[in-house]
Amino acid sequence: GAGVSQSPRYKVAKRGQDVALRCDPISGHVSLFWYQQALGQGPEFLTYFQNEAQLDKSGLPSDRFFAERPEGSVSTLKIQRTQQEDSAVYLCASSSPDGDEQFFGPGTRLTVL
Amino acid sequence: KQEVTQIPAALSVPEGENLVLNCSFTDSAIYNLQWFRQDPGKGLTSLLLIQSSQREQTSGRLNASLDKSSGRSTLYIAASQPGDSATYLCAVPYTNAGKSTFGDGTTLTVKP
Repeated sequence: GAGVSQSPRYKVAKRGQDVALRCDPISGHVSLFWYQQALGQGPEFLTYFQNEAQLDKSGLPSDRFFAERPEGSVSTLKIQRTQQEDSAVYLCASSSPDGDEQFFGPGTRLTVL
Repeated sequence: KQEVTQIPAALSVPEGENLVLNCSFTDSAIYNLQWFRQDPGKGLTSLLLIQSSQREQTSGRLNASLDKSSGRSTLYIAASQPGDSATYLCAVPYTNAGKSTFGDGTTLTVKP
């Protein structure tokens, strides 16, 4: 595709609900990253995939957060039993095989009530 | 642990001014440094990527410099325009894998 796409763009969940956020990276991009951005702050790293392998999940804040990329392209970030502190913008980025420049999607704004 | 700081947090200038945004990082063993722009409610748009072996990169009215030894990068914007109003973020990857540490950004307002 022309760029990184994410869906949905906005998600409102009641506390305790499960949510799934989707990321479609740029075609051919091997690396895929998930970040969490709180209001007024820079993005914080969550997890990183190279193809289908999740190489780093050190930034996931709790075991309620789970990410997958089963076929090495589309990725899904799942949050179980959402809490109010999960409210944030979730950004996805991909980078080309040389691993340098990162390209970001528009983000999904999650609001947990 | 790498820490990235951007000062000032906010900046307001009249149209036409030249300005400098600052980014500092604590660990000088970086792979590269990337500057982004973020408009309200939008994702990040890549502006410039400087490799660790480079000292500067230019794109149009933007010029980014990198001084690894002092742990600093600057983004110079020439002849600012109202359309430049946005939040500017710098990011430093942990390794060549790209997992990055971001600053909290500088929010720039250019007044007509």
